Amino acid sequence: QVQLVQSGTEVKKPGASVKVSCKASGYTFTSYGVSWVRQAPGQGLEWMGWISAYNGFTNSAQNFQDRVTMTTDTSTSTAYMELRSLRSDDTAVYYCARGEQYATSARGKFDYWGQGTLVTVSS
Amino acid sequence: QSVLTQPPSASGTPGQRVTISCSGSSSNIESNYVYWYQQIPGTAPKLLIYRHNQRPSGVPDRFSGSKSGTSASLAISGLRSEDEADYYCAAWDDSLSGWVFGGGTKLTVL
Repeated sequence: QVQLVQSGTEVKKPGASVKVSCKASGYTFTSYGVSWVRQAPGQGLEWMGWISAYNGFTNSAQNFQDRVTMTTDTSTSTAYMELRSLRSDDTAVYYCARGEQYATSARGKFDYWGQGTLVTVSS
Repeated sequence: QSVLTQPPSASGTPGQRVTISCSGSSSNIESNYVYWYQQIPGTAPKLLIYRHNQRPSGVPDRFSGSKSGTSASLAISGLRSEDEADYYCAAWDDSLSGWVFGGGTKLTVL
């Protein structure tokens, strides 16, 4: 069965960076992309960006273009999202989600989601 | 402020039919597919409807989606207590070149 398992809770200070991992199993990793979506406490969903696990092509949301880096390691079927220059309003649960099969862009349904990683930014 | 507009709350009694609206614009809902996600508090979102009105396998046919112009709707018929959750609409936005979500609608089953 398809599973996305994310890394554990992180606590960071303002100005630091965080790197969240998302290990995929149960499907051919390189046939799909991975999007990252975050949810601040009590708030809605916010899309951060997408990476193709096939060729590494990325598409970041305008709000995060300068601060986010998404990568994949096809040898371990793992996607990573690094967010830099953390601020208190980056405190959120970060989710990875599988994108559309064979997609060449970020468009398409998010059909499986990771369990979420809580990142707390506090001095 | 979310790009897509949803009512913050909705409610119904068991067995009733409830609809949740999602309002957007020409750059998102009017020109791209609409998706709906269900999120039970404390858990990850789950895909409920894709491409306006398609259900993934395992999603009951009590859930249906529709789109007209710059708006979309999610309908839930035969309401059940386990439908109590937050519901989010989403669409690709051509102007932003990214995904946009509604602010979410909290559905309460009375």
